[in-house]
Amino acid sequence: DAGITQSPRHKVTETGTPVTLRCHQTENHRYMYWYRQDPGHGLRLIHYSYGVKDTDKGEVSDGYSVSRSKTEDFLLTLESATSSQTSVYFCAISDPGQVNTEAFFGQGTRLTVV
Amino acid sequence: GESVGLHLPTLSVQEGDNSIINCAYSNSASDYFIWYKQESGKGPQFIIDIRSNMDKRQGQRVTVLLNKTVKHLSLQIAATQPGDSAVYFCAENGAFGNEKLTFGTGTRLTIIP
Repeated sequence: DAGITQSPRHKVTETGTPVTLRCHQTENHRYMYWYRQDPGHGLRLIHYSYGVKDTDKGEVSDGYSVSRSKTEDFLLTLESATSSQTSVYFCAISDPGQVNTEAFFGQGTRLTVV
Repeated sequence: GESVGLHLPTLSVQEGDNSIINCAYSNSASDYFIWYKQESGKGPQFIIDIRSNMDKRQGQRVTVLLNKTVKHLSLQIAATQPGDSAVYFCAENGAFGNEKLTFGTGTRLTIIP
């Protein structure tokens, strides 16, 4: 999986609690992304980062925040989890500017908000 | 708005036959396209990509065709095998430096033994 580790792999949490998902890469890629995957919607971009402390919103960013203090780590935080945030979350990395600019994905984190 | 979509949500193919998965996109400025394969419980895996200055690109048993006139992308898998059963997504990487991937909703390919 191109040196991408997501943690935790599974989590169940209660509505209203904060949750942080972690993505760690060993590829030194500049770009990192958080997607969520839901039936009928495919993969939708939540937030992405193009460098340390440089982040931007995706199409479904409401209710989520991110931080990137080091090249290798990209954190996704749900400040107050809601049932609509039950989903599978994928982290991805890419290095645009190289010959191949495809994104590589982690194994995913299944989050259930009860 | 800009979108990337797939014509068929499911496709069943006999083992050994060829399969074709289609994808339509609406952003005529898109210049980079990718096909991903996702097996159950795993993250999407890169299969093949193509840039807008090409019409066709071949890999091992896979071919991607790009028709910019009608904004259509297809993935052909030759001599399908049981391991090809998965969900396939097309994605575009935007244009003019936009590095955000936009995905279609996916097509589930089932290989019938």
